[in-house]
Amino acid sequence: AQKVTQAQTEISVVEKEDVTLDCVYETRDTTYYLFWYKQPPSGELVFLIRRNSFDEQNEISGRYSWNFQKSTSSFNFTITASQVVDSAVYFCALHSGGYNKLIFGAGTRLAVHP
Amino acid sequence: EAQVTQNPRYLITVTGKKLTVTCSQNMNHEYMSWYRQDPGLGLRQIYYSMNVEVTDKGDVPEGYKVSRKEKRNFPLILESPSPNQTSLYFCASSLQAPRGGHEKLFFGSGTQLSVL
Repeated sequence: AQKVTQAQTEISVVEKEDVTLDCVYETRDTTYYLFWYKQPPSGELVFLIRRNSFDEQNEISGRYSWNFQKSTSSFNFTITASQVVDSAVYFCALHSGGYNKLIFGAGTRLAVHP
Repeated sequence: EAQVTQNPRYLITVTGKKLTVTCSQNMNHEYMSWYRQDPGLGLRQIYYSMNVEVTDKGDVPEGYKVSRKEKRNFPLILESPSPNQTSLYFCASSLQAPRGGHEKLFFGSGTQLSVL
């Protein structure tokens, strides 16, 4: 079975705090891809990152960083020095096998307060 | 500008009144898909299309129809909407099907549908 779990439904932080969004996935495939998407209040879905299962290197992009750990089947997302503009719903997603779709987690709503 | 365009952005209708949500992409993408987003459930795939005249069911196809007569358009049809189809709908496209995981999905801005 393929599944993505985002256990944190909502997170509230004050600006400049660091925050980590958790993502745990399940798949039996050895080749798979993980994604993060951001959904700001305007509603559209914005692609943030794609990582394949053979690349466990952590990635940093400005204030964003991703920690991929196959041993714990996790692909966590950290925002450093959060800003109000980071307020959004964040989705983690999985693609594996021959399926023609992404499997999304339920999403984590992040509220960053001034 | 490369984009996926959905219309309308908001739609309120009544039970049983047929409606169509349009989706168009200008990137010459082969693959298109419809998702619905519900609280606590994330996004779930309704239908997808690998290319013109090729469509297939996703995880939650009941009550929906699609067609792919042209490469750029992939309308979602609700023949007899019911209140449980009240949801936020997204159309997405990619150059090819995400079978290999390589393709990034481009999403439309969403359509908030309310069925009374």
